[in-house]
Amino acid sequence: KNQVEQSPQSLIILEGKNCTLQCNYTVSPFSNLRWYKQDTGRGPVSLTIMTFSENTKSNGRYTATLDADTKQSSLHITASQLSDSASYICVVSGGSYIPTFGRGTSLIVHP
Amino acid sequence: DTAVSQTPKYLVTQMGNDKSIKCEQNLGHDTMYWYKQDSKKFLKIMFSYNNKELIINETVPNRFSPKSPDKAHLNLHINSLELGDSAVYFCASSSDARSYNEQFFGPGTRLTVL
Repeated sequence: KNQVEQSPQSLIILEGKNCTLQCNYTVSPFSNLRWYKQDTGRGPVSLTIMTFSENTKSNGRYTATLDADTKQSSLHITASQLSDSASYICVVSGGSYIPTFGRGTSLIVHP
Repeated sequence: DTAVSQTPKYLVTQMGNDKSIKCEQNLGHDTMYWYKQDSKKFLKIMFSYNNKELIINETVPNRFSPKSPDKAHLNLHINSLELGDSAVYFCASSSDARSYNEQFFGPGTRLTVL
């Protein structure tokens, strides 16, 4: 069964600090992995997408990594800002049209 | 200009009623989706239409009926609403059905069934 597990479930950090969110998956075959950011009361917005051959991709202060051998991905946020407070969702797509969503990590950045 | 819009934003109704949520995208995309996000923020795909044809139907009760009058619209009709239908429903679109393509989400419709 295809699954995506994210950790931690929630995280509180101080503004300016770095943090790393984890995503482990069992989706097979693997096509791509995407990280979304969802602000409270809004729809998710894509941050990065990686395919099998990519092991890192950056979008500003967000850097995603992918280890397709161990089926793990991480999202690193550098120099966090209050606006980074959101839910971060890992989504893995395989051989079908149907993506598998993780349950998300809720990040709170305190001043 | 809003890329993916949904109406209404909030919907409060009684058990047993029938209601509809509308979705429109102005991105020229071929594929549209409906998602349900429960109280624990878990997003689950319900339906997907590609060029007005249903391509994903994820074991959703048949009280839920999507309708796509054209590529730019995907509406969701729900019959005989139940308490468990309370959730936030998101519409999304992508250029085509290939998973690599980014999905653009609407702002969501918060449905509360009393």
